[in-house]
Amino acid sequence: GQQVMQIPQYQHVQEGEDFTTYCNSSTTLSNIQWYKQRPGGHPVFLIQLVKSGEVKKQKRLTFQFGEAKKNSSLHITATQTTDVGTYFCATTSGTYKYIFGTGTRLKVLA
Amino acid sequence: SQTIHQWPATLVQPVGSPLSLECTVEGTSNPNLYWYRQAAGRGLQLLFYSVGIGQISSEVPQNLSASRPQDRQFILSSKKLLLSDSGFYLCAWSVSGYGYTFGSGTRLTVV
Repeated sequence: GQQVMQIPQYQHVQEGEDFTTYCNSSTTLSNIQWYKQRPGGHPVFLIQLVKSGEVKKQKRLTFQFGEAKKNSSLHITATQTTDVGTYFCATTSGTYKYIFGTGTRLKVLA
Repeated sequence: SQTIHQWPATLVQPVGSPLSLECTVEGTSNPNLYWYRQAAGRGLQLLFYSVGIGQISSEVPQNLSASRPQDRQFILSSKKLLLSDSGFYLCAWSVSGYGYTFGSGTRLTVV
């Protein structure tokens, strides 16, 4: 079945540094979604990308969908302690389901 | 606005005891409903999903079952819990396949 691999698994950064997580697939993706899960919390939907080469921004977060629609990235500029959490990508698998990447756990050191 | 309610927030149950977790959605009709499990520090494993009343699709054969007795109600059950059933159980809904809205989750510890 379809799989999405996410790297890195963990990332520690100093506050103010940038952070990027990558989501990769061996097959073409119809869409890619990104979620954030704060420690102890539940995943929260951030954004969905559907078009080849699409780039969307939310304040300090930049989301990109690859030209071949096989990869995606989430980039955070100048991280803050509020960015701590695990970031998951997800994509449609079949008509009703989404499969999730393994997640990247971000720690921000003040 | 749409909201999703999930309870209880935490649960400690002995091995061999039954389980019933309930999830309800407000503010939407005919949602697709999902149960996920997350082991500590791990990713999200899809357990069951439902696209309508009485329709249940199982993703992972195991010690759990799900039911959808009403349009906006989704129940996760077990007759006899195992230690390996411990985890963070998340209910989610989606409409028209545009992203999930997750409930706040239930942390289940089987002792």
